[in-house]
Amino acid sequence: DAGVTQSPTHLIKTRGQQVTLRCSPKSGHDTVSWYQQALGQGPQFIFQYYEEEERQRGNFPDRFSGHQFPNYSSELNVNALLLGDSALYLCASSRPSGDLSFTDTQYFGPGTRLTVL
Amino acid sequence: KNQVEQSPQSLIILEGKNCTLQCNYTVSPFSNLRWYKQDTGRGPVSLTIMTFSENTKSNGRYTATLDADTKQSSLHITASQLSDSASYICVVLNTNAGKSTFGDGTTLTVKP
Repeated sequence: DAGVTQSPTHLIKTRGQQVTLRCSPKSGHDTVSWYQQALGQGPQFIFQYYEEEERQRGNFPDRFSGHQFPNYSSELNVNALLLGDSALYLCASSRPSGDLSFTDTQYFGPGTRLTVL
Repeated sequence: KNQVEQSPQSLIILEGKNCTLQCNYTVSPFSNLRWYKQDTGRGPVSLTIMTFSENTKSNGRYTATLDADTKQSSLHITASQLSDSASYICVVLNTNAGKSTFGDGTTLTVKP
């Protein structure tokens, strides 16, 4: 049973470029959340996708966008990269909940380390 | 503003010793609190999840406590091992917003 997978593992971009990160959820999960984790800090919630729709969003600008495919995999796109976008980007998957309690544990992928020069 | 504060920021202990990590939160209304272990360069892995009615939950050498009245949680690690060296992150879920607030973590280093 594969866990959450992310690609690529590392990525180097320059300011102003665009980047796409990919995530495949754990088998049986259909909810995917994306997080940005700067060095020495906890993950910051970007957004969550369920049934191919963005269900929740954190305090991130519109440069950050996403997509969820029918097979539940997801992409995170970041446009007009800034130096401050350098971070570990984590994807987490979970089973759907009947309400917003999200009591099911989120399973995290290994992350994509993005460096913006 | 919903916040999660963890202490200490970092901790160094000798192998075999016990330690306790703290998490104070202001998130309200509260749904659940989770502790994650994050090895360097890896994604977080869940250790425990506690709801409002639970006071203590154990997972092997890890024991989490929760006091919902004072909005405090602790993670106690018994008989530490070198492999316990990691960042431990406290996460609190806000029921209304359906959003999780992450602490910045406590970096634990276990030395031989």
